[in-house]
Amino acid sequence: NAGVTQTPKFQVLKTGQSMTLQCAQDMNHNSMYWYRQDPGMGLRLIYYSASEGTTDKGEVPNGYNVSRLNKREFSLRLESAAPSQTSVYFCASSPASGGVFMELFFGEGSRLTVL
Amino acid sequence: AQSVTQLDSQVPVFEEAPVELRCNYSSSVSVYLFWYVQYPNQGLQLLLKYLSGSTLVKGINGFEAEFNKSQTSFHLRKPSVHISDTAEYFCAVTSQRTASKLTFGTGTRLQVTL
Repeated sequence: NAGVTQTPKFQVLKTGQSMTLQCAQDMNHNSMYWYRQDPGMGLRLIYYSASEGTTDKGEVPNGYNVSRLNKREFSLRLESAAPSQTSVYFCASSPASGGVFMELFFGEGSRLTVL
Repeated sequence: AQSVTQLDSQVPVFEEAPVELRCNYSSSVSVYLFWYVQYPNQGLQLLLKYLSGSTLVKGINGFEAEFNKSQTSFHLRKPSVHISDTAEYFCAVTSQRTASKLTFGTGTRLQVTL
């Protein structure tokens, strides 16, 4: 049971470098999300995709871009990494559709350090 | 806008003691409420959820929560904790109007000791 798979699990970047976090789900879910988790701040929504072909900004989108490549895959790109983007990133998916929310299923996280 | 407040950042408790983790929400519309648990170095998994109906919700691992609309609360309880319950617990809220977006609290670290 793969569920939600994120790669890489760990990454160290230098300031200004770019990278893409990959996420794939095998549950045929419509909606996918990217959150970041920082100590004392809980999880904050970066971007989400309510359905294939659509993406929307969340609470903290600055410095990030996303691509919903197909129904299974949702990638998060940092074009020019900054130390403030040091965080643990979680991808999640949900079977939600038609405006009806259902639970989120999370990946195991990607720990990113920007020096 | 909706928000969630978890009043305690850390809750230490002895094994087999009862525990309550507090969660208050703010929303002007009907809400859906969730509790998630995060074990060390893992993603979050759903403990329980309130969508409608009975205000007492039972979840996995012996946890339960009660939705109190007048108090705008959704506190999580367990009558007897185990060492394996040591984890971070997150309360989260959404509504029909923001159906695609879940807002999380800052989390409560439950530390169970012998």
